[in-house]
Amino acid sequence: AQTVTQSQPEMSVQEAETVTLSCTYDTSESDYYLFWYKQPPSRQMILVIRQEAYKQQNATENRFSVNFQKAAKSFSLKISDSQLGDAAMYFCAYRRGEGAQKLVFGQGTRLTINP
Amino acid sequence: DAGVIQSPRHEVTEMGQEVTLRCKPISGHNSLFWYRQTMMRGLELLIYFNNNVPIDDSGMPEDRFSAKMPNASFSTLKIQPSEPRDSAVYFCASSRGQRRSPLHFGNGTRLTVT
Repeated sequence: AQTVTQSQPEMSVQEAETVTLSCTYDTSESDYYLFWYKQPPSRQMILVIRQEAYKQQNATENRFSVNFQKAAKSFSLKISDSQLGDAAMYFCAYRRGEGAQKLVFGQGTRLTINP
Repeated sequence: DAGVIQSPRHEVTEMGQEVTLRCKPISGHNSLFWYRQTMMRGLELLIYFNNNVPIDDSGMPEDRFSAKMPNASFSTLKIQPSEPRDSAVYFCASSRGQRRSPLHFGNGTRLTVT
């Protein structure tokens, strides 16, 4: 079974600085999709960014980018120019390319932004 | 475009009572997922449907839990009888059929069983 590991339960960063959240996953498959979701105190789950495993180019969405290392099974999220509104729980998730469609989530990283 | 709609937002009930959570997926999405979130276990998939058909219910904790999707625009998750350990936030999510399509989540139902 696929597993997703986020080794940092909590992280903090100064406003306007850059922070990287780590995620590793375990799979024997070559075709899959990876996602980062944000959960603010409102508890809404919000998609931040996604990456297709077959793409070598790292995905970017404005201030959010990923470092996808397929061989190392690593999928870290970089947040540049951190803003107070970025404070939230961040979840890394894995989805198979075939078969079961479910998302498998990591345990999450709580990000605090210090003003 | 309306998002995934869940009701109620909060539910407080006594042990032994029946609880029904409701979900309306995004129109045009053909996959629907029920997740449970707790501090101890994180986000766990309970069950998911494709085209209204249950595909994987291996995450349903026990026979007290049941889920239905009578049509493409409505699903329910029922707990009968409820127990204090069922207290959690229950999320419904929907997506299009493509694997690259993300899940879109509702706002969740916070269930408290006393």
